[in-house]
Amino acid sequence: DSGVTQTPKHLITATGQRVTLRCSPRSGDLSVYWYQQSLDQGLQFLIQYYNGEERAKGNILERFSAQQFPDLHSELNLSSLELGDSALYFCASSPSSQGAEKLFFGSGTQLSVL
Amino acid sequence: DAKTTQPNSMESNEEEPVHLPCNHSTISGTDYIHWYRQLPSQGPEYVIHGLTSNVNNRMASLAIAEDRKSSTLILHRATLRDAAVYYCILRAYSGGSNYKLTFGKGTLLTVNP
Repeated sequence: DSGVTQTPKHLITATGQRVTLRCSPRSGDLSVYWYQQSLDQGLQFLIQYYNGEERAKGNILERFSAQQFPDLHSELNLSSLELGDSALYFCASSPSSQGAEKLFFGSGTQLSVL
Repeated sequence: DAKTTQPNSMESNEEEPVHLPCNHSTISGTDYIHWYRQLPSQGPEYVIHGLTSNVNNRMASLAIAEDRKSSTLILHRATLRDAAVYYCILRAYSGGSNYKLTFGKGTLLTVNP
């Protein structure tokens, strides 16, 4: 158990809908990272937050947004969903965002868009 | 972003050592070399990391070339539980005090009984 909690584990929805994925980082960790994993693209970095502020952006679509709340949990919002958004979404956390730090990953949310 | 190159797949026998190579010829002086692995149906799991010197921990050893353009993850005695996708990643400085972690395709390690 990494200490990172993601909910829900599975989500099935339809095209055009909006969903919210939730992540609770390890106790004390200030940084939260979101990754998307699909069969053809591998693990893609989406976005990183540190203590409530956006720190880095990767290949995140404009239809997607995220935030980190004062209690440090984070939410990833996916809207106007398309079939291609079906993927595993992972959240990870680390104490800060230093180069020598390791990331702890949650077990992911499997999103299926039908 | 600095890139890494790994073999798509490797095979090993149980209880034998495994050497997983990684090339990172465009590495910069501030990039850390990280290794993660992903077991089936699980999130990635940290294995080891280093900057310039070789590193050992209970899971593995990391051998870093003197010019830092390549590294090798060493599993001393592979077990069936080590079958996973192994990712070699450069944790690259991205401004302020921030370091990004960008995954590549990884190496699928198969361990034969």
